Amino acid sequence: EAQVTQNPRYLITVTGKKLTVTCSQNMNHEYMSWYRQDPGLGLRQIYYSMNVEVTDKGDVPEGYKVSRKEKRNFPLILESPSPNQTSLYFCASSLFWGLSYNEQFFGPGTRLTVL
Amino acid sequence: TQLLEQSPQFLSIQEGENLTVYCNSSSVFSSLQWYRQEPGEGPVLLVTVVTGGEVKKLKRLTFQFGDARKDSSLHITAAQPGDTGLYLCAGARSSGNTGKLIFGQGTTLQVKP
Repeated sequence: EAQVTQNPRYLITVTGKKLTVTCSQNMNHEYMSWYRQDPGLGLRQIYYSMNVEVTDKGDVPEGYKVSRKEKRNFPLILESPSPNQTSLYFCASSLFWGLSYNEQFFGPGTRLTVL
Repeated sequence: TQLLEQSPQFLSIQEGENLTVYCNSSSVFSSLQWYRQEPGEGPVLLVTVVTGGEVKKLKRLTFQFGDARKDSSLHITAAQPGDTGLYLCAGARSSGNTGKLIFGQGTTLQVKP
């Protein structure tokens, strides 16, 4: 089944404890992206990757890191999480990025709480 | 600053009513998408519009892209309880192929039987 998977689905952690949220897609998609969703703000893009070894900042990259060492995986790293990073996180992928084609396939989401 | 403004943010209607959701911006977009999200799940693409003035229909849903490619609307005819969910518009800026996708803040629709 073609899908985007994220792990963990739920995570409660404490301030400053490094964590990684994994994202994997099995559709051979070139483009991958991370978003956070907060009430009243819609989805905001954190980082995106046009292809392997190519990553760039979205609108809210502060406090996050990503890497794209292989096509299928795009982990999101929080080196020192803070309470303002409590949010619902979505990973998404797209076959490729084009101005007229960029359908995003979303994972199921990771709900992160930082105490 | 929200580059894509959606309105209304909340909508509660009775089954059978019609409704329109708007997505507005002062920026030009090369394409605009509409997604629907149900609780506990990720958004799912409904449609992509690319050409200014384009109209696309998906059963009871009609999507329109503004002539200047700065705004879009979603019209639902004879809404049903199964239409309940969060509707999101998302746009790719036309200036530079940056890979950035901008989302509106969403419209929560509740259709009561």
